[in-house]
Amino acid sequence: AQSVTQLDSHVSVSEGTPVLLRCNYSSSYSPSLFWYVQHPNKGLQLLLKYTSAATLVKGINGFEAEFKKSETSFHLTKPSAHMSDAAEYFCVVSDPSRGGKLIFGQGTELSVKP
Amino acid sequence: DADVTQTPRNRITKTGKRIMLECSQTKGHDRMYWYRQDPGLGLQLIYYSFDVKDINKGEISDGYSVSRQAQAKFSLSLESAIPNQTALYFCATSDLRGQGNQPQHFGDGTRLSIL
Repeated sequence: AQSVTQLDSHVSVSEGTPVLLRCNYSSSYSPSLFWYVQHPNKGLQLLLKYTSAATLVKGINGFEAEFKKSETSFHLTKPSAHMSDAAEYFCVVSDPSRGGKLIFGQGTELSVKP
Repeated sequence: DADVTQTPRNRITKTGKRIMLECSQTKGHDRMYWYRQDPGLGLQLIYYSFDVKDINKGEISDGYSVSRQAQAKFSLSLESAIPNQTALYFCATSDLRGQGNQPQHFGDGTRLSIL
């Protein structure tokens, strides 16, 4: 069965410092993995997706994630946090055995201090 | 994502009432989904539909029903609302192509409170 675990429920960084949001996955298949961001009172927006083409995936707003099969990880990073990055982030795996249904992690809330 | 529209955006109602949440999309996608979000639990799948004639239960379908009126419309009903159905509800769509590799596109959500 597919699953994802986000290792931190809350991360706090200062503006201009690096961001690291951690995600481990479990999959019986070659997984499709996504990171979504949710700003207050808004829906989820796709940041980036991994579908086996390249292990380092670049997304929107300067975010990127690296797929590491040996560590079953898909951590999200950004070199320099901006105040507008404060939001909730979800790591998500797609289950191809069930028509691409998404399985969500519990979410990581990112706070950015001035 | 303005291509996926949910109505209403907010709703407060009483226990026992019937409620319908509506979702429409202009993306031309075949697949549509309803999720529920509770704090600390991520999103949980309620129902999903791969086309107008295909409706499937998700992880937490008890107490809910859906109707796929057209390719572009997918509504969620609570036949007799109860307080523990208070949550944020999201509709999403995805393209049929590529099977499990396609991301889903979300509406802005409906905040439902049941007193």
